[in-house]
Amino acid sequence: NAGVTQTPKFQVLKTGQSMTLQCAQDMNHEYMSWYRQDPGMGLRLIHYSVGAGITDQGEVPNGYNVSRSTTEDFPLRLLSAAPSQTSVYFCASSLRDYLVRFSTDTQYFGPGTRLTVL
Amino acid sequence: AQKITQTQPGMFVQEKEAVTLDCTYDTSDPSYGLFWYKQPSSGEMIFLIYQGSYDQQNATEGRYSLNFQKARKSANLVISASQLGDSAMYFCAMRELEGAQKLVFGQGTRLTINP
Repeated sequence: NAGVTQTPKFQVLKTGQSMTLQCAQDMNHEYMSWYRQDPGMGLRLIHYSVGAGITDQGEVPNGYNVSRSTTEDFPLRLLSAAPSQTSVYFCASSLRDYLVRFSTDTQYFGPGTRLTVL
Repeated sequence: AQKITQTQPGMFVQEKEAVTLDCTYDTSDPSYGLFWYKQPSSGEMIFLIYQGSYDQQNATEGRYSLNFQKARKSANLVISASQLGDSAMYFCAMRELEGAQKLVFGQGTRLTINP
């Protein structure tokens, strides 16, 4: 059971390049999400998904696309990288909690991807 | 919209002392969950403790306890008998338990344990 995995760990891009950050989980979690962490800003939600085929925007979605074709995978795409997207990116997953009073619905985080856009 | 406020950017504590990290929250949802995560210098996010809005008792996990005061909308983390390995960033977060179930984080508190 690997939990939540992210690749790559580090990436340097030039302005205008595109890339995909990979995220996978093997816990059969319905809920997956992407956050970015900037100094002094805490973590902010980019996009999230409540199940395969369903995605929605978070707090800071501009410049990012997501898709969820399987329960396990939730890739984050940067179509045209900008220096403002230099950040640490975390993927997280959890059960979707339908019995909200009785479970912990903890979100488990991947190890993060440190992205630099020059 | 939910909001989490952590008013202590940094704290310095002597080893073996207890420490309280403050967290206040704002939400209009009747159901929500409150979390604390630890982020050491290595960067990973480590789940520490959870408190549900309907829980009658304060949550405890080993040396961690959550002082939940619903009327004051506060969810302070208490670490007993602090250790050098507790030095890290600590984030308070809230998750709405209905609708989108999104997680909102505070800005964090950097805790330094001195020997």
